[in-house]
Amino acid sequence: GNSVTQMEGPVTLSEEAFLTINCTYTATGYPSLFWYVQYPGEGLQLLLKATKADDKGSNKGFEATYRKETTSFHLEKGSVQVSDSAVYFCALNRGFQKLVFGTGTRLLVSP
Amino acid sequence: GAVVSQHPSWVICKSGTSVKIECRSLDFQATTMFWYRQFPKQSLMLMATSNEGSKATYEQGVEKDKFLINHASLTLSTLTVTSAHPEDSSFYICSAPSGGGGGDEQYFGPGTRLTVT
Repeated sequence: GNSVTQMEGPVTLSEEAFLTINCTYTATGYPSLFWYVQYPGEGLQLLLKATKADDKGSNKGFEATYRKETTSFHLEKGSVQVSDSAVYFCALNRGFQKLVFGTGTRLLVSP
Repeated sequence: GAVVSQHPSWVICKSGTSVKIECRSLDFQATTMFWYRQFPKQSLMLMATSNEGSKATYEQGVEKDKFLINHASLTLSTLTVTSAHPEDSSFYICSAPSGGGGGDEQYFGPGTRLTVT
């Protein structure tokens, strides 16, 4: 079946630190992969996506590369800001736009 | 970007009563909407697909008679939790695809927290 596993949080970093949030998946075929972000009190927002192997999604300084060989889609950012504090969800499209989510990882960035 | 709203943002109801949650696409039309449920510290789980003009399709294990879905128009889907029990307490989130063209971006509502006492 389809599933997404992401690292548990919270992840606590100082401003300007390097961020990695791990995400691995199991799926039939090669689904599109996503990272969504949820800021306090708001709905999930698409952060970035990749639709095929070796694609790199990027947005707002965040990047993730679709790795077929390791079934991974790790989220990275070179220098986090306090405003990046949020919950990050890795997800895959199992078909017909139906998403399978990971458990979410809370990121806390301190000044 | 497109906006999806939900109402109410939180609701408390007594066991045995029913509660309705609305999901609206504010600036685009959505023939399909999705309803998810999120337990504390757990991922979002797809409950059902709401289809404008036809019956909703439910995921395996979701009771369709308990979670009634009505897609009344191209901008409104409602989820009614019938005869609610404390175990139905959860965070309910809806989403709508961005529209035609085959893109797979979705827009999410802010969620509705349901507490059944």
